[in-house]
Amino acid sequence: GAGVSQSPSNKVTEKGKDVELRCDPISGHTALYWYRQSLGQGLEFLIYFQGNSAPDKSGLPSDRFSAERTGGSVSTLTIQRTQQEDSAVYLCASSSSGGALDTQYFGPGTRLTVL
Amino acid sequence: GQQLNQSPQSMFIQEGEDVSMNCTSSSIFNTWLWYKQDPGEGPVLLIALYKAGELTSNGRLTAQFGITRKDSFLNISASIPSDVGIYFCAGQNDPYSGAGSYQLTFGKGTKLSVIP
Repeated sequence: GAGVSQSPSNKVTEKGKDVELRCDPISGHTALYWYRQSLGQGLEFLIYFQGNSAPDKSGLPSDRFSAERTGGSVSTLTIQRTQQEDSAVYLCASSSSGGALDTQYFGPGTRLTVL
Repeated sequence: GQQLNQSPQSMFIQEGEDVSMNCTSSSIFNTWLWYKQDPGEGPVLLIALYKAGELTSNGRLTAQFGITRKDSFLNISASIPSDVGIYFCAGQNDPYSGAGSYQLTFGKGTKLSVIP
């Protein structure tokens, strides 16, 4: 596709359940970022993947959060034992090589609601 | 950690008016960016600033990168209804200064409403 796509667009889950959020970056982009946007807030960095390098996990808020990127393309963000404070919009972005001058292109996000 | 203070939080203006919003940081960034987010969409890049003191325009938008590298402003001239949305400033982190990647640190946004 032409842009970054994410699925599902909305996810409602019960507290304590696990959820998986998917991101398809722009074809050919080697860098992929996950951000979280809580209501009325700016985006908060979670994790970064670049090619085969070890990911930068410095933004993950707890060990309940993890992410994978298989085959250098699609990425999955997993939240285990969800809590109400995990409710937010989760946004994925990709850039061509993760360099300083590369534009990060964002997907539409997945709105997660934890009841 | 790094924080960006963005103001104002929201603005209501008449169509045709000019708009100004700004962002300040407690630390230095080498790159400042301005994004716009429409409802249900991800942010879209409007302007990127790479050099302290740089003034850059994109149509009716003008942005400046402060000399101290700790602030930036965005101006919108002659606003139109499609300017409605949330505007975010973002500073780009630098792995050569200790960050793990070029991830972005965002302000909390300025919600712009344009009255026709």
